[in-house]
Amino acid sequence: QKEVEQDPGPLSVPEGAIVSLNCTYSNSAFQYFMWYRQYSRKGPELLMYTYSSGNKEDGRFTAQVDKSSKYISLFIRDSQPSDSATYLCAMSARDSGAGSYQLTFGKGTKLSVIP
Amino acid sequence: DGGITQSPKYLFRKEGQNVTLSCEQNLNHDAMYWYRQDPGQGLRLIYYSQIVNDFQKGDIAEGYSVSREKKESFPLTVTSAQKNPTAFYLCASRIGTGLYNEQFFGPGTRLTVL
Repeated sequence: QKEVEQDPGPLSVPEGAIVSLNCTYSNSAFQYFMWYRQYSRKGPELLMYTYSSGNKEDGRFTAQVDKSSKYISLFIRDSQPSDSATYLCAMSARDSGAGSYQLTFGKGTKLSVIP
Repeated sequence: DGGITQSPKYLFRKEGQNVTLSCEQNLNHDAMYWYRQDPGQGLRLIYYSQIVNDFQKGDIAEGYSVSREKKESFPLTVTSAQKNPTAFYLCASRIGTGLYNEQFFGPGTRLTVL
C-alpha cells in the first residue's frame, strides 16, 4: 500500500461547479498537509497548507483535514477554466534517517473546467 | 526576482550519453531537491541536499548523480546507466528542513531520449 493515495482522474466539470479533490494516507506520522497546483508543463506551486484537523479557507479554496480518518480534501467553489490544472497533495513527516522533514506527494488529479 | 531556474527547458539525449540538468536558486535556501515526474506517477525523489557538499539518495537514485559545491546550485547528471530517462525533471528548494518549510519548485526540464 502506497503511503499517499490520490485518484488521478481526469476530472471534468462545468464552469461554476464545486470541485472536490481528495487524498488518503496511511502514515500517522504525517503532520503537515499541502496542496500544490501544477499547470501543464510547469513546476508545481503551493496553493494551500494546513497542519490541524478541520477546515482552512482562502478565497474560493478550502482545505480540509481529517486526521482520524487519514483523509484530506481540497474544495474549489465557483470553479473557473483557469483552475484547469493538476492538483497534487503533499504531506510532511520526519525522516528519522536524515533528521529532516521530507514531503511525500500524491500522484495528482488532473482537473478540467469546461466553459 | 528571487526564484529557481532550470535549464534547459527541453533536452534531447541519444542513448548512451550522459547529460547534466542545471538548477540554480537565489532564495538563499539551504535544502535542494530533484524530482522526476512521469505521467500517472506523481513526483518521485531522486536526490536531495540539506547543506553544501552533502547530499542523500532519494527513492530512485540509480542512474543519477548530483553535486552541491555551492549553496545556490544543485546540478543533476542523468547517466547512461539510467534505463528509462525520458521524463519531466523538477528541482525544488526549501529554506530549511523543518516541518513547516515550504518547498518551491523550478519550471522543470523535459528530457527526451532519442
